[in-house]
Amino acid sequence: GENVEQHPSTLSVQEGDSAVIKCTYSDSASNYFPWYKQELGKRPQLIIDIRSNVGEKKDQRIAVTLNKTAKHFSLHITETQPEDSAVYFCAAPVVAGGTSYGKLTFGQGTILTVHP
Amino acid sequence: GAGVSQTPSNKVTEKGKYVELRCDPISGHTALYWYRQSLGQGPEFLIYFQGTGAADDSGLPNDRFFAVRPEGSVSTLKIQRTERGDSAVYLCASSAQPGLAPNEQFFGPGTRLTVL
Repeated sequence: GENVEQHPSTLSVQEGDSAVIKCTYSDSASNYFPWYKQELGKRPQLIIDIRSNVGEKKDQRIAVTLNKTAKHFSLHITETQPEDSAVYFCAAPVVAGGTSYGKLTFGQGTILTVHP
Repeated sequence: GAGVSQTPSNKVTEKGKYVELRCDPISGHTALYWYRQSLGQGPEFLIYFQGTGAADDSGLPNDRFFAVRPEGSVSTLKIQRTERGDSAVYLCASSAQPGLAPNEQFFGPGTRLTVL
């Protein structure tokens, strides 16, 4: 099965600074890597995802990089704002028989706090 | 359009009781997932439906847990003889047909189950 490790568990930054969260995965066949943001008491919401055929994807202040050789991917948030404060989860799918139907294994989460 | 909905939002029950948790996915989404999220943890996979059938129930902790999706839309997660360790937030997610590449999973708000 897939094993996903996420670091750090907590991250505290000043408003305007950058934040980086890293995840490693074990299954080299994994082909899709989403990042979810979860505010306290709310549902997880997808903020960005990347597929294994690209190395980087950017959406405004958020970017994700993927290193398939090293089996790790990272979330980068630039110009952080207090509203970025939340728990962030990375995930990777279980791939069986060459296909993945989307069963996700999640990392342990990173509590990001952005201080004004 | 409406997102994934779950009822009830909160459920408090006594040890040994039976509970049912309902998920209403996004219309037209054929894939439906149940996850369980304990405090401070990432969601953990329970079961996956493709249409009406449970394609993967490997995450169900034991035979007290069962889920159905009789018409390929609404799903019900059933827990018999509840134990205090079952207390968690139960999340439902749906996605369009994943095919060979997984698609974004849209999460519901979850049901917070508390077993006294």
